[in-house]
Amino acid sequence: QKEVEQNSGPLSVPEGAIASLNCTYSDRVSQSFFWYRQYSGKSPELIMSIYSNGDKEDGRFTAQLNKASQYVSLLIRDSQPSDSATYLCAVYGNKLVFGAGTILRVKS
Amino acid sequence: ETGVTQTPRHLVMGMTNKKSLKCEQHLGHNAMYWYKQSAKKPLELMFVYNFKEQTENNSVPSRFSPECPNSSHLFLHLHTLQPEDSALYLCASSQENFGGSASSYNEQFFGPGTRLTVL
Repeated sequence: QKEVEQNSGPLSVPEGAIASLNCTYSDRVSQSFFWYRQYSGKSPELIMSIYSNGDKEDGRFTAQLNKASQYVSLLIRDSQPSDSATYLCAVYGNKLVFGAGTILRVKS
Repeated sequence: ETGVTQTPRHLVMGMTNKKSLKCEQHLGHNAMYWYKQSAKKPLELMFVYNFKEQTENNSVPSRFSPECPNSSHLFLHLHTLQPEDSALYLCASSQENFGGSASSYNEQFFGPGTRLTVL
């Protein structure tokens, strides 16, 4: 079992829709959870951090964490073509472990 | 300069060459990392330095040799590489909260990367 699992996609959504990206992890003692956005040929950019159960909102982004289910998600509201990228989930237990990423395509 | 910088941004080298990648962080962090990202593969952690001391080496071949002279600078020395070593090499830094509770620590910030091609 992979430590951090994401659906590779691509996930295609129309412009203006909500994109929902999901991530599961195996280490129950994980404490910190992150979402990174990576454009093709560029380095990962941290867009959201979440540390406790529930929702955390920042602009059009909402991160959701459920430690009991070992599940973290990222919602992007009003998706724009500029949101098209690979989204990496990262989980910190005693080290930071990245998932393989989900490709998001927002179609205008 | 702000954030994490890396030089060079692009590097082409032969298998017999010796070259070095440089990373500098301007964030006052206490930990630095080297990652490898190959096409269509997840990020692979190579080395971790906390307070200039290497704390992790993820079974990386000896043709990759890291050096961390201080908490702001990190190097990756390359020699006798193979074509399969061609990849994007990313440096990152973070402020580690050793033994503490979850907070804003452990957030890693990446440099722009070095695109390495081994011929």
